[in-house]
Amino acid sequence: GIQVEQSPPDLILQEGANSTLRCNFSDSVNNLQWFHQNPWGQLINLFYIPSGTKQNGRLSATTVATERYSLLYISSSQTTDSGVYFCAASLSGNTPLVFGKGTRLSVIA
Amino acid sequence: GAVVSQHPSWVICKSGTSVKIECRSLDFQATTMFWYRQFPKQSLMLMATSNEGSKATYEQGVEKDKFLINHASLTLSTLTVTSAHPEDSSFYICSAFNPGQGVETQYFGPGTRLLVL
Repeated sequence: GIQVEQSPPDLILQEGANSTLRCNFSDSVNNLQWFHQNPWGQLINLFYIPSGTKQNGRLSATTVATERYSLLYISSSQTTDSGVYFCAASLSGNTPLVFGKGTRLSVIA
Repeated sequence: GAVVSQHPSWVICKSGTSVKIECRSLDFQATTMFWYRQFPKQSLMLMATSNEGSKATYEQGVEKDKFLINHASLTLSTLTVTSAHPEDSSFYICSAFNPGQGVETQYFGPGTRLLVL
């Protein structure tokens, strides 16, 4: 089955700093999603990005499908960006997502 | 949009009781829903795939007689934890695929936190 690995496992940033989170996946996928899990546990869908580049405000993501990795960029980080960021992949929308172990981000003022 | 709800958000129960968790797709029909479990400081692990009108497919190590899944309609899947024990305490999250959107993305419910005393 698909394997998903995320790095780094933990990251501490000063407010205002930029960061890059990485996700490697083992097989060709048609679904790759980035999530932010807030302190209450809810998964916030950041990007659906099986390939290409997308941007949403201070966040952007790039997936290079041929090389089986995806990057999540956070610019000008804020304390509200703290939490766990998950990458998850699946063969298609109606097959289960496989989650990486997450990157725990702490942004300090 | 594509909204998935879960009910209840929180449940505390005594050991030995059964707990039912509902997952609903509010504005789309979902032939397939998924149930995940997350223990503290860990990632989400798939428990089962719920297919409308047929039996659920369980992951290895997940007891199908303990975690009963019913997907009786295109907008509702239920997970019943039977004879719950403290080790079943966890965060349960469902997701659904919206085939009508033309993309492969899945949408997640807000989760249900179960505490078994």
